[in-house]
Amino acid sequence: NAGVMQNPRHLVRRRGQEARLRCSPMKGHSHVYWYRQLPEEGLKFMVYLQKENIIDESGMPKERFSAEFPKEGPSILRIQQVVRGDSAAYFCASSPRDGYQETQYFGPGTRLLVL
Amino acid sequence: GDSVTQMEGPVTLSEEAFLTINCTYTATGYPSLFWYVQYPGEGLQLLLKATKADDKGSNKGFEATYRKETTSFHLEKGSVQVSDSAVYFCALILGRGYQKVTFGIGTKLQVIP
Repeated sequence: NAGVMQNPRHLVRRRGQEARLRCSPMKGHSHVYWYRQLPEEGLKFMVYLQKENIIDESGMPKERFSAEFPKEGPSILRIQQVVRGDSAAYFCASSPRDGYQETQYFGPGTRLLVL
Repeated sequence: GDSVTQMEGPVTLSEEAFLTINCTYTATGYPSLFWYVQYPGEGLQLLLKATKADDKGSNKGFEATYRKETTSFHLEKGSVQVSDSAVYFCALILGRGYQKVTFGIGTKLQVIP
């Protein structure tokens, strides 16, 4: 059973461009979480999605950031008009169900660098 | 709000040395506590967890005890190996219908032969 897949692993963008980060959860998992790790900081929760639904986006900036988890295909975190402050590692995690007892399985992350 | 504070690294130890990585938390309720480990180039893996006061989580020779009175969850290992070199994250979840993990900053451990 393949783990959580994220691509690309590294992404370089110039200011003003768009960044698209993909996350394929583990097989059978319908719950996806996105986290961001800024330099010298811990991981911070951004958004929690179930198939076709955003459940909690309280950690996601209101502007330029959006996330989706369609019925088919990977979850996408989209950052429009990137700025240097968006440079970070973005991690995706999945779980088979909700509930605080469920273990989250993390992907290897996408390192975004904005020039 | 909820937060986790862990000792800053990097921590450098010789093989077979004793390891302690301190972690304290602030939470408005009664959280579940976790240690995650991230090996170079990989995602985070759950190392151990404890869901209530005085519980001890253990895995791969690592252990941590949930201390409610000191709001701590320190990670320990009696004899580290080079293969333990990684970044260790302390984390908490407050019981809700779903998980929303709050992480510490991470402590990098380097074990030298």
